[in-house]
Amino acid sequence: EDQVTQSPEALRLQEGESSSLNCSYTVSGLRGLFWYRQDPGKGPEFLFTLYSAGEEKEKERLKATLTKKESFLHITAPKPEDSATYLCAVQAGAAGNKLTFGGGTRVLVKP
Amino acid sequence: NAGVTQTPKFQVLKTGQSMTLQCAQDMNHNSMYWYRQDPGMGLRLIYYSASEGTTDKGEVPNGYNVSRLNKREFSLRLESAAPSQTSVYFCASRKQGSADTQYFGPGTRLTVL
Repeated sequence: EDQVTQSPEALRLQEGESSSLNCSYTVSGLRGLFWYRQDPGKGPEFLFTLYSAGEEKEKERLKATLTKKESFLHITAPKPEDSATYLCAVQAGAAGNKLTFGGGTRVLVKP
Repeated sequence: NAGVTQTPKFQVLKTGQSMTLQCAQDMNHNSMYWYRQDPGMGLRLIYYSASEGTTDKGEVPNGYNVSRLNKREFSLRLESAAPSQTSVYFCASRKQGSADTQYFGPGTRLTVL
């Protein structure tokens, strides 16, 4: 059974204080790992897709990396508008269309 | 493009009542999905439709039915609502052959009393 675990559950940062979120996974044949951002009362918003170990992608202050067992979402010099819940999901080779999500990390950036 | 739209945004039901959640996408995507999101449980797949005319069960299908009305629309029906179905429901869509990215709607917050 595919499993995704995100840590920490919650993260409080001061504006400008860089940090990393972890997503560890156990799947049979990873087809893709996805990061989403979710604001309160809204649907998840797509950020990145990573396909193979060693791959990295960046968007503004966010950088996602992938190894064979985990992914990291690095937040560099965060601003209050980066406050959100960040979700990680995996698509496995045997799962067809389906994604398995982790529980998310709630990030609060204080000015 | 509106992307993925869902109606209603909020709904309160009594135990045993029925209702249908509506979802539509204007991105010409082939695959559509219904998820529920509960505190501490993450997003869990209820049903999905890989293409028009097909539907398949996800992780938590009990108590739900779906209809892929056409390529644009995918509805979720609760025949006899139970308090355990209190949740936030999200619809998503994905284009066949794309980078497999699923795009989500804004959600329906359902409370069953």
